[in-house]
Amino acid sequence: AQSVTQPDIHITVSEGASLELRCNYSYGATPYLFWYVQSPGQGLQLLLKYFSGDTLVQGIKGFEAEFKRSQSSFNLRKPSVHWSDAAEYFCAVGPWGSNYKLTFGKGTLLTVNP
Amino acid sequence: KAGVTQTPRYLIKTRGQQVTLSCSPISGHRSVSWYQQTPGQGLQFLFEYFSETQRNKGNFPGRFSGRQFSNSRSEMNVSTLELGDSALYLCASSRGGSPSGNTIYFGEGSWLTVV
Repeated sequence: AQSVTQPDIHITVSEGASLELRCNYSYGATPYLFWYVQSPGQGLQLLLKYFSGDTLVQGIKGFEAEFKRSQSSFNLRKPSVHWSDAAEYFCAVGPWGSNYKLTFGKGTLLTVNP
Repeated sequence: KAGVTQTPRYLIKTRGQQVTLSCSPISGHRSVSWYQQTPGQGLQFLFEYFSETQRNKGNFPGRFSGRQFSNSRSEMNVSTLELGDSALYLCASSRGGSPSGNTIYFGEGSWLTVV
């Protein structure tokens, strides 16, 4: 069965600092990988996705993520965090060839200090 | 173009009642899926519909059901509500079809409180 682990429940960074959110997945074949962000009381907004090809993917709001098959990881990064980035971030995996079911990690809550 | 629209956004129900939530997907999207989000369990897949057919179902009791109409709009129903059904219910849509690689877009969600 597929699974996603986000080891960090809560991360606090200072505005302007770099950010890396960790995501490890377990899946038997090539997965679809996603990062979503959720602001309080809101739905999920897609930041970026990996299906195939270049293992470094660029997303919206200056985020990027790198797929590392050998480590089963898909970590999210941003070089300089803005206060508006404070939110909860979810990593998700979906089976190859299908888009209909995502398995989510428990999420990482990001706090940004001024 | 308009995103995924869910109604109602907020509702309060009493234990034992039933509730119906509605979802209008992005225009042209034929796949609609539903997720439940709670603080304890996180985001869990409920079911997915494509062209009015349920293609996949998560591990939820039969009290949770859904359907999709010919215009791709979807509804989910929860009968005999329990306190534990209090959650944010998220609808998501994508173009669907196979092979995929389509992106899943989420709505703002429907907040259900059971008292």
